[in-house]
Amino acid sequence: DTAVSQTPKYLVTQMGNDKSIKCEQNLGHDTMYWYKQDSKKFLKIMFSYNNKELIINETVPNRFSPKSPDKAHLNLHINSLELGDSAVYFCASRSGNTEAFFGQGTRLTVV
Amino acid sequence: QQQVKQSPQSLIVQKGGISIINCAYENTAFDYFPWYQQFPGKGPALLIAIRPDVSEKKEGRFTISFNKSAKQFSLHIMDSQPGDSATYFCAASISARQLTFGSGTQLTVLP
Repeated sequence: DTAVSQTPKYLVTQMGNDKSIKCEQNLGHDTMYWYKQDSKKFLKIMFSYNNKELIINETVPNRFSPKSPDKAHLNLHINSLELGDSAVYFCASRSGNTEAFFGQGTRLTVV
Repeated sequence: QQQVKQSPQSLIVQKGGISIINCAYENTAFDYFPWYQQFPGKGPALLIAIRPDVSEKKEGRFTISFNKSAKQFSLHIMDSQPGDSATYFCAASISARQLTFGSGTQLTVLP
């Protein structure tokens, strides 16, 4: 069974559209994250979330918002997509200060 | 501010050789230092990790060397194989907060 699963794997959309990426983890972890990997492969934290606290990287535009319906899910909503949003987005989960498990990534292309 | 600096950006090694990737950190509050391996089209996966109370950790062909006073840690891959060709990321975290990643090293092992 996949530990951290993201959907869709590929997403192509036009500028100005609103889109969502879904993430689910079946590891029972209490903390989930969204990372953005740019064309140079740099991994940048966007959000860190557990059932008590949401930490937002201050450099992330407010067009991006995480939504967590329950402990096992952390979805990413993006409004008014821009060309610069094109990247690979990774969801990850973790319990305490241990290994973080990553999803397979969602390659977002804005045209 | 880049809190974890990684070098080199790319590395080419002959099969059977030793691959060495270095990282330096700034925040002395970091208490968990993992290395992640990423293959094309996949999410990062934990390779090996160390905590600051240990100076070295070895798992098979992979070894982390940790120098707390110098705020540096490195990954050594012994007997490098073509299958090790991937992007390697060092990272650091404080307690259960998000992982802060280095910029990545593209390793190519020639047959």
